[in-house]
Amino acid sequence: SQQGEEDPQALSIQEGENATMNCSYKTSINNLQWYRQNSGRGLVHLILIRSNEREKHSGRLRVTLDTSKKSSSLLITASRAADTASYFCATNPLQGAQKLVFGQGTRLTINP
Amino acid sequence: GAVVSQHPSRVICKSGTSVKIECRSLDFQATTMFWYRQFPKKSLMLMATSNEGSKATYEQGVEKDKFLINHASLTLSTLTVTSAHPEDSSFYICSAVNPGLNNSPLHFGNGTRLTVT
Repeated sequence: SQQGEEDPQALSIQEGENATMNCSYKTSINNLQWYRQNSGRGLVHLILIRSNEREKHSGRLRVTLDTSKKSSSLLITASRAADTASYFCATNPLQGAQKLVFGQGTRLTINP
Repeated sequence: GAVVSQHPSRVICKSGTSVKIECRSLDFQATTMFWYRQFPKKSLMLMATSNEGSKATYEQGVEKDKFLINHASLTLSTLTVTSAHPEDSSFYICSAVNPGLNNSPLHFGNGTRLTVT
C-alpha cells in the first residue's frame, strides 16, 4: 500500500527561487529516496538518505530526514526552468528488502 | 547511460490481445526486479516483485493471472498483460536492484505507455 504523503501536491515558483517539498511516511525505514520524473518518462534517482542520517546535500539539492516525525524534505535551491518535473519520495521499509513505497508526488513548475 | 532498458516505450493494442513488456538490466545481474504501474498524474503503485528463478510476488489486489511475470535470466524480466482491456491502459515502469550494492537506489526503465483500444 502507498504510505507516502507529499506536500504540496503542486508547486509553482519563479526561476531562481527555492523550492521545498515535504514527505511523510508511516512505518520504520531503512532509507528514504527522492526521485524525479519528467512527464511520461521513467524515474531518475536524486538522492538517498539512510535512516541514521539527518541531512544530505547533492549540488543544489538538500534533503533532511526526521525519523521521529517520519518526515523528510527536499529543497532545491536557485531553481531553474529545467527543474520542472514531478518529484517523488520513496521509502524502503525496514522489512521490505529492496522494495520502495512511493509518495503521491509533487508537481513542480518553474516559471522563467 | 541507462542501466535498465525497458521495451517497448509505447504500445497500442486491441482489447483482448496480450502485450509483453521487457525489462533488461544492462550493467549488472539483477536477481530482483520490480514492476510498477502509474496512472496519469498519480504515484507509482508496486504491482509485483520479480525474482530470478522463482515465482513473482504480487501485491495485494494485483491479479497474477492477468499480469504474468517471468524472470528467466539475471538480466531480463518480462511483464505480460493478458487479455488486455481499456482499463489496463496505463504507464508501466520496471526497476532493478544491483545486488552488489547495499542500500543503493533502484534503477528504473523509461517506462512503457500501454493504450488498449
